[in-house]
Amino acid sequence: ETGVTQTPRHLVMGMTNKKSLKCEQHLGHNAMYWYKQSAKKPLELMFVYNFKEQTENNSVPSRFSPECPNSSHLFLHLHTLQPEDSALYLCASSQEGRESYGYTFGSGTRLTVV
Amino acid sequence: GQSLEQPSEVTAVEGAIVQINCTYQTSGFYGLSWYQQHDGGAPTFLSYNALDGLEETGRFSSFLSRSDSYGYLLLQELQMKDSASYFCAAPRGGRRALTFGSGTRLQVQP
Repeated sequence: ETGVTQTPRHLVMGMTNKKSLKCEQHLGHNAMYWYKQSAKKPLELMFVYNFKEQTENNSVPSRFSPECPNSSHLFLHLHTLQPEDSALYLCASSQEGRESYGYTFGSGTRLTVV
Repeated sequence: GQSLEQPSEVTAVEGAIVQINCTYQTSGFYGLSWYQQHDGGAPTFLSYNALDGLEETGRFSSFLSRSDSYGYLLLQELQMKDSASYFCAAPRGGRRALTFGSGTRLQVQP
């Protein structure tokens, strides 16, 4: 148990489906993040939330819609995705001002768009 | 902008020492971090350097030279379980969220 839990672990969806990824952190952190990791590419920052407020949107297409109802939960709503969106989606959390403790990542959701 | 460059692959033998370098370009700097990721696993935090010099944590050490925009991760007494990808990361200029390098795949051989 890493302290950051992501569900589901695996997801296969069609291009017309709507699905949601869930992330929950049990560490009392005040910042949460979505990253995308594609094969042979670095982790790409998608969204940042600090104290439930979205502070960064890294030019992510609107077919990805984040939601942060409280400082412990983060969702990524997906709709009309493309096959190139197939990737590992990682959630992370951290405590602002405590950079020396780093980010804690969840195990990720392996998404396949068919 | 922000970019971090690191070698794509490194191979070493058990018991050896290996150094993974990272050079960065950033318009603002708040420290360099290192993460380990095993195949199929989550990235895990290894170390953070805010100031110049060497930070040691067991078999792993991390070094930073801000004047050279350069850092490295040093792994000593390599074990088979150290086979993984290693990423350097730094906050993007003017912001706090981490940008990651493309990762170095370390293969430890018997």
